[in-house]
Amino acid sequence: AQSVTQLDSQVPVFEEAPVELRCNYSSSVSVYLFWYVQYPNQGLQLLLKYLSGSTLVESINGFEAEFNKSQTSFHLRKPSVHISDTAEYFCAVSATNKLIFGTGTLLAVQP
Amino acid sequence: DVKVTQSSRYLVKRTGEKVFLECVQDMDHENMFWYRQDPGLGLRLIYFSYDVKMKEKGDIPEGYSVSREKKERFSLILESASTNQTSMYLCASSSYSGDYEQYFGPGTRLTVT
Repeated sequence: AQSVTQLDSQVPVFEEAPVELRCNYSSSVSVYLFWYVQYPNQGLQLLLKYLSGSTLVESINGFEAEFNKSQTSFHLRKPSVHISDTAEYFCAVSATNKLIFGTGTLLAVQP
Repeated sequence: DVKVTQSSRYLVKRTGEKVFLECVQDMDHENMFWYRQDPGLGLRLIYFSYDVKMKEKGDIPEGYSVSREKKERFSLILESASTNQTSMYLCASSSYSGDYEQYFGPGTRLTVT
């Protein structure tokens, strides 16, 4: 069965610093991988996804994630964060018509 | 633009009450999902439905039931609400022929007193 691990429950970082949010998955079959973001008091929004092809995928607001099959990872990175990036980030892996979500990482950007 | 709406943003109910949470999507999606979200536990799947009148249990179905009489609407029912069901409830939908991407509603924060 598929599973997702987000080891960091909270990541504090200063504004304009780089950040990496870690995600590891386990699966015996090919998967699709997703990062969702949840701003305070809102539902989840898709940030980016990996389906196939290039292992580096990018979002419109400067985040990127790299699919690493050998390390079964899909870490999310941003070279310079803004206060507005403060949110909870969820990694997810596909599994027979549904998604399996990690427990989330709270990105807290401080001025 | 895909839209998933939930009937209430905030709801306060008493222990033992029957509670209905409604979710509607406008993209003709076959799949619909109900999750609960609790701090430190992430999203846990309660039930999902892949067609009208079809349902499957998720990871934590105890204390909940669902109804899907129309393709666009998926209801979550708490037959007798208890305080440990105080949580954020999220509804989502996805296309059966798509890439598994799910579209989420804004959530309902339910408090059971």
